[in-house]
This record gives sequence, structure tokens and C-alpha cells, in this order.
Amino acid sequence: DTAVSQTPKYLVTQMGNDKSIKCEQNLGHDTMYWYKQDSKKFLKIMFSYNNKELIINETVPNRFSPKSPDKAHLNLHINSLELGDSAVYFCASSQGHRSTDTQYFGPGTRLTVL
Amino acid sequence: AQKITQTQPGMFVQEKEAVTLDCTYDTSDQSYGLFWYKQPSSGEMIFLIYQGSYDEQNATEGRYSLNFQKARKSANLVISASQLGDSAMYFCAMRGSQGGKLIFGQGTELSVKP
Repeated sequence: DTAVSQTPKYLVTQMGNDKSIKCEQNLGHDTMYWYKQDSKKFLKIMFSYNNKELIINETVPNRFSPKSPDKAHLNLHINSLELGDSAVYFCASSQGHRSTDTQYFGPGTRLTVL
Repeated sequence: AQKITQTQPGMFVQEKEAVTLDCTYDTSDQSYGLFWYKQPSSGEMIFLIYQGSYDEQNATEGRYSLNFQKARKSANLVISASQLGDSAMYFCAMRGSQGGKLIFGQGTELSVKP
């Protein structure tokens, strides 16, 4: 019955590889997000989609590419992984993108680049 | 620019006592939302409580209440009757009227002592 789910939970890979993280929400929400939490626990938005349309694209390297096949799914593909990409990546969703809309987070994906 | 500040990196509280976690914010938006999230050691982000900028009453959710002082731009979280399970990192976040992204504070690590 998980509301926002992410796979995989852990991802360990070598520098230079390409990897994907998948996210699904069953809340019927219109808006989904990717956040990155660094080693100091600081959380920052990366991308947001509303009804499959990109609405937020923060200053993120081009190696990161989000894809939303439908409004219940938002995947994150990372090319040519670097050591600095090691972090926890959270997917989230909300009813809409108004200031009143609560965002619900997935369990996170801990990415380690060796 | 929008900003959230949490000035307490770490706090201790005795079990069954109340504790206040500080949060101040800065925004030029008239309409905004304030949120608190809990992140236990297991890593997930759990939504706790929401306060809208136009709400006249302070939000409450069970043992959590939000002490909202608009003129001072503060949104402190009060946890009553602390439990050992409250030990976690707590994040204050804000969402403005444009764009929809959550801006997070640095977090406060709360430790509840038996």
C-alpha cells in the first residue's frame, strides 16, 4: 500500500556508468519531484513534473535526465556517474504545485559512486 | 529569494517533556505554506504538519503543534510529551506561491533521553 515508492533502495556503481532510479505514486497526484540530499543532509529540489510536463528544472548537470511516462511515474536517469553524485535521491508527489499542497516523499535511493 | 533557517543543529530533551524546534523563514510572497518533516535514522521523510500563511490559527496534529508568528517570520515546531521514537532529524520547509518547490532548512537533530 506504499504511497510513493522508489526502486532501487540502494545503488552502488562505478564512476562513468549510467543508472536509473524509478518512482511511482498511487495517490492520484498530479505533481512529482526529485530531490537530492547530500552528505550534510541538505535537501534540494532537482526537477518537478506536473501532469507529465516539466515545470521545475533547477541547475542540475545535463547528465541528469528525468522522464515522466505518465503522471504516476517519474524516473531519473543519470549518465556518466561521478563521485559527487553520491547522495540520497528522494522522489515526492503532491496533489498540485500550489503553496498549500503537501509533498509526500518516497523512501529514498542511496546512490554510492565508487 | 526564499530562505529557511534552523539555528539549532542538535537538541536534547528528556522523555515526556515538551521541546520546541526553531524555524525562521524569509520570503516576499504573500501566499506560502510552511511544513515540518521528520527524518528518522531509517532515512524516510515523514510529513508532520502544515501551516498556511493565511491561517489564523496555529496548526496542530496530535502531539505536534506549529507556533506560527507571521510578523516575526517564525514557524516553530512544538512536540509535547516527547517519546524515544521522536529522536530524529527534523526539517522545516517552505513553499511559495510560484514554482511549487520546497525550500528546506538545514535540519535539527533531536535526541530524546530516557
